[in-house]
Amino acid sequence: DSGVTQTPKHLITATGQRVTLRCSPRSGDLSVYWYQQSLDQGLQFLIQYYNGEERAKGNILERFSAQQFPDLHSELNLSSLELGDSALYFCASSVPGANEKLFFGSGTQLSVL
Amino acid sequence: AQSVTQLGSHVSVSEGALVLLRCNYSSSVPPYLFWYVQYPNQGLQLLLKYTTGATLVKGINGFEAEFKKSETSFHLTKPSAHMSDAAEYFCAVGGGSYIPTFGRGTSLIVHP
Repeated sequence: DSGVTQTPKHLITATGQRVTLRCSPRSGDLSVYWYQQSLDQGLQFLIQYYNGEERAKGNILERFSAQQFPDLHSELNLSSLELGDSALYFCASSVPGANEKLFFGSGTQLSVL
Repeated sequence: AQSVTQLGSHVSVSEGALVLLRCNYSSSVPPYLFWYVQYPNQGLQLLLKYTTGATLVKGINGFEAEFKKSETSFHLTKPSAHMSDAAEYFCAVGGGSYIPTFGRGTSLIVHP
């Protein structure tokens, strides 16, 4: 158990809908990262938050947004969903100040039908 | 910019045989290099990492990797494969101020 909690584990929705994925980092970790894993793209970095502030942005679509709350949990919002958004979404956290070791949650499997 | 290339999307070995998973990196700065493992229905977990110092790095479960700057490589090895090693393995570059960038992954298949 990595200590990173993601909910829900599975999500099935329709095109055009909006969903929210939730992540609770390990106790004491200030950084939260979101990654998307798909068969054709591999593991792609989406966005990083550090202590409530956006720190880095990767290949995140404009239809996607994220935030980190004062209690350090994070949410990834995906809107106007398309079939191609179907993927496994991972959250990871790390110790403050370094990207040297990420602790991953078990992911949310999103299926857009 | 940083990137990694993992050679071979699938590697198949017999139980007890040598495991060799290949990773080459590209980085404009001294890299931090990592190997992560993903078991079915689980998140990734760190196997080992190289930051500075000794170029041969030992990780969990008997795995090790060697950083070779001249070859820009960080191949993962294990002398004797076990059935429980069957998983997806990811090489990554990053660390410090750089967000880890992952390779496409290599699926290790272990035959009895």
